[in-house]
Amino acid sequence: SQKIEQNSEALNIQEGKTATLTCNYTNYSPAYLQWYRQDPGRGPVFLLLIRENEKEKRKERLKVTFDTTLKQSLFHITASQPADSATYLCALGFNKFYFGSGTKLNVKP
Amino acid sequence: DAGVTQSPTHLIKTRGQQVTLRCSPKSGHDTVSWYQQALGQGPQFIFQYYEEEERQRGNFPDRFSGHQFPNYSSELNVNALLLGDSALYLCASSLAGVSGANVLTFGAGSRLTVL
Repeated sequence: SQKIEQNSEALNIQEGKTATLTCNYTNYSPAYLQWYRQDPGRGPVFLLLIRENEKEKRKERLKVTFDTTLKQSLFHITASQPADSATYLCALGFNKFYFGSGTKLNVKP
Repeated sequence: DAGVTQSPTHLIKTRGQQVTLRCSPKSGHDTVSWYQQALGQGPQFIFQYYEEEERQRGNFPDRFSGHQFPNYSSELNVNALLLGDSALYLCASSLAGVSGANVLTFGAGSRLTVL
């Protein structure tokens, strides 16, 4: 069965630094990979989508890479701010999505 | 423009009872998916409805059923509740037929506690 792994330990970084979150997957060859942000008590919010033939995607301070050989995606937030503190989920699929368990990011002022 | 709305936001049931959760999709969306999110876990796909029919289903027992209405709104029903059904139930809407993968718009969820 599909397995998606995200670092279950919280990532603590200082404001202004770059946060890098990892998503690894097995037993799956997704054509698309998405990243969502989830705040406590709220539903996930879509951030970025990257296709299998794209190596990198950027949106403002966000950058996603997708390495289908390593079966890994990296999610970067540059110049991080305390407001970026949240849980970040990666999701694979087309209509039906498989989500990782998320990584909690804490950005300290 | 209203996003995805879900009701109720919180509810408490006892084992063996039945529950119905409701979802109104984002304006312009025609597809509704339901996910279960246990504490500390990522969302797990339950099923997806399009054109009033269940299009895909995840690994959930038949106790979980759903419905989509002509106005695209949807219900999730869970029968014979178990303690393990306690979770945040998320409704996500999307628009079918667009090129590429669907991008999901989630509601805030319905928090179900089974005692």
